Amino acid sequence: DAGITQSPRHKVTETGTPVTLRCHQTENHRYMYWYRQDPGHGLRLIHYSYGVKDTDKGEVSDGYSVSRSKTEDFLLTLESATSSQTSVYFCAISESTGRPYEQYFGPGTRLTVT
Amino acid sequence: GQQLNQSPQSMFIQEGEDVSMNCTSSSIFNTWLWYKQDPGEGPVLLIALYKAGELTSNGRLTAQFGITRKDSFLNISASIPSDVGIYFCAGTGAGSYQLTFGKGTKLSVIP
Repeated sequence: DAGITQSPRHKVTETGTPVTLRCHQTENHRYMYWYRQDPGHGLRLIHYSYGVKDTDKGEVSDGYSVSRSKTEDFLLTLESATSSQTSVYFCAISESTGRPYEQYFGPGTRLTVT
Repeated sequence: GQQLNQSPQSMFIQEGEDVSMNCTSSSIFNTWLWYKQDPGEGPVLLIALYKAGELTSNGRLTAQFGITRKDSFLNISASIPSDVGIYFCAGTGAGSYQLTFGKGTKLSVIP
């Protein structure tokens, strides 16, 4: 298994509070991604990073920000959580050479916004 | 944006039966990948395909990259109870590293 951990694994928070999810990898892969998974929508890309301090928006980036100050860590922040952000969040990583399209996923964080 | 249509949405099969599922796109894809997700876990990469017409196996799983580059197929032979889960197709379009995912096929195996 790829060395990817996510923390916390479960979180319940109130509407309007900020929330930060962490993804940590031990594979030294350059690319990292944050997805959300919702019934009927599959996996949708929120933000991604192609290197330290290099990030870009994905399909559903509104209400989310990210930071990557080290190769191994990619943080996802919900600036002011809303009920529509209740979801399961997955981090993924991929190499920059060889097979960059092959993404490997973490175990996920289940977030509930009340 | 690009969309992938995955079918069937769900299927119930008897243990020992073969399974087929597919994924189609309205645009050309350069890469096709198949993932499996067990409940409460992240998707796990099963097979990656890089060339039109490519046929690749991983144990009892076989996947094909369609000749038109607009579809891909996954077959599971002699299904067993641990094959239960949701299978996702994903692909990349021209000039993109970003994956587009299908909505998944939920497989249930009846012992």
